[in-house]
Amino acid sequence: DQQVKQNSPSLSVQEGRISILNCDYTNSMFDYFLWYKKYPAEGPTFLISISSIKDKNEDGRFTVFLNKSAKHLSLHIVPSQPGDSAVYFCAASVSGATNKLIFGTGTLLAVQP
Amino acid sequence: DGGITQSPKYLFRKEGQNVTLSCEQNLNHDAMYWYRQDPGQGLRLIYYSQIVNDFQKGDIAEGYSVSREKKESFPLTVTSAQKNPTAFYLCASSIGFGGAEAFFGQGTRLTVV
Repeated sequence: DQQVKQNSPSLSVQEGRISILNCDYTNSMFDYFLWYKKYPAEGPTFLISISSIKDKNEDGRFTVFLNKSAKHLSLHIVPSQPGDSAVYFCAASVSGATNKLIFGTGTLLAVQP
Repeated sequence: DGGITQSPKYLFRKEGQNVTLSCEQNLNHDAMYWYRQDPGQGLRLIYYSQIVNDFQKGDIAEGYSVSREKKESFPLTVTSAQKNPTAFYLCASSIGFGGAEAFFGQGTRLTVV
């Protein structure tokens, strides 16, 4: 049972435009959400997170939006740059006793120059 | 520099042999995790540990074993019982309790021939 889903395996965007990556979750107990960026043969690097008490968090070119009623979050990258090309994973956790992260399957973003 | 070190980066083993993957962190994090990445399946949790001398099975623990004798170290043994051991293995750590991002090592690519 996939509790965190990224339904788009890939996304192609022109440099300078907006990239929107989507993520859906099924477990209503999740209260902390994160986005990671990953290059091939490397470990993921943390990008941005959001707590369930917020509906938006912004860090430079990256903004994460959370819609709790729809169990949906999205990552916006504006403007997109060729160096943003990577696989993006969303992850969710129930903060507290275990704090373990449940990851989605990832979306490969290609930013075309 | 603080961080997580996985070694080796590439590992080859013959079928039927046990192999141990190393993971060391100097971030003073309480929690440590092992994930496995396969193409199209995202990151799946193998084992995690919240404190020294304690660990729990993740979603795909069969054929793996771990130990947590020191706070800094969380080695993973891939046993001969693991049916499909060839994969990219990622170790991570986090502060522990409460919502917090996990920091990842660079990964170990295990190939069993």
